[in-house]
Amino acid sequence: ELKVEQNPLFLSMQEGKNYTIYCNYSTTSDRLYWYRQDPGKSLESLFVLLSNGAVKQEGRLMASLDTKARLSTLHITAAVHDLSATYFCAVDIVRKIIFGKGTRLHILP
Amino acid sequence: DTGVSQNPRHKITKRGQNVTFRCDPISEHNRLYWYRQTLGQGPEFLTYFQNEAQLEKSRLLSDRFSAERPKGSFSTLEIQRTEQGDSAMYLCASSLAGVETQYFGPGTRLLVL
Repeated sequence: ELKVEQNPLFLSMQEGKNYTIYCNYSTTSDRLYWYRQDPGKSLESLFVLLSNGAVKQEGRLMASLDTKARLSTLHITAAVHDLSATYFCAVDIVRKIIFGKGTRLHILP
Repeated sequence: DTGVSQNPRHKITKRGQNVTFRCDPISEHNRLYWYRQTLGQGPEFLTYFQNEAQLEKSRLLSDRFSAERPKGSFSTLEIQRTEQGDSAMYLCASSLAGVETQYFGPGTRLLVL
């Protein structure tokens, strides 16, 4: 059974700092998604990673995928308060999409 | 607004009643997904349609759950004989084959009393 594990599950960090969220998964996939969810809201797509070595960046967020290691990372550069949210990774196994438990990110001013 | 819409946004029902939710995807999207999300958890995959065909269904979906997508446009998710454990947010998402980005609707929050 596919398992998707995110680390850490909760992260409190100061503005201006850098940090990385890790997403490990247990079976072969070359398709991985990152989403953001604000409290009481639905999910917003951040990145779609479709191949080994894929790297995508948007503003202060950068995501990468290593399919051999079954690992994706979401790197936050110089965090700002507006990035406070819950971040989910999700792995696509032939269109059955399995989400991690999410990383609740709290950025302190 | 051309995003994904879901109706109703909130539903309160008594245990044992049947409920039906509707999802209208982005018009040109041929893929449609249903998920369930409980507080503090990630979305849980329920089912996937490509056009009108239901191609994947979670084992978590019991006989009480059924989904349809007639004509490959809107979709409905029905829960029969609701139980308190069905209380959750039900999310719908759509995407276009080859583009892969999923766009989520606002969700339907179900409370079973």
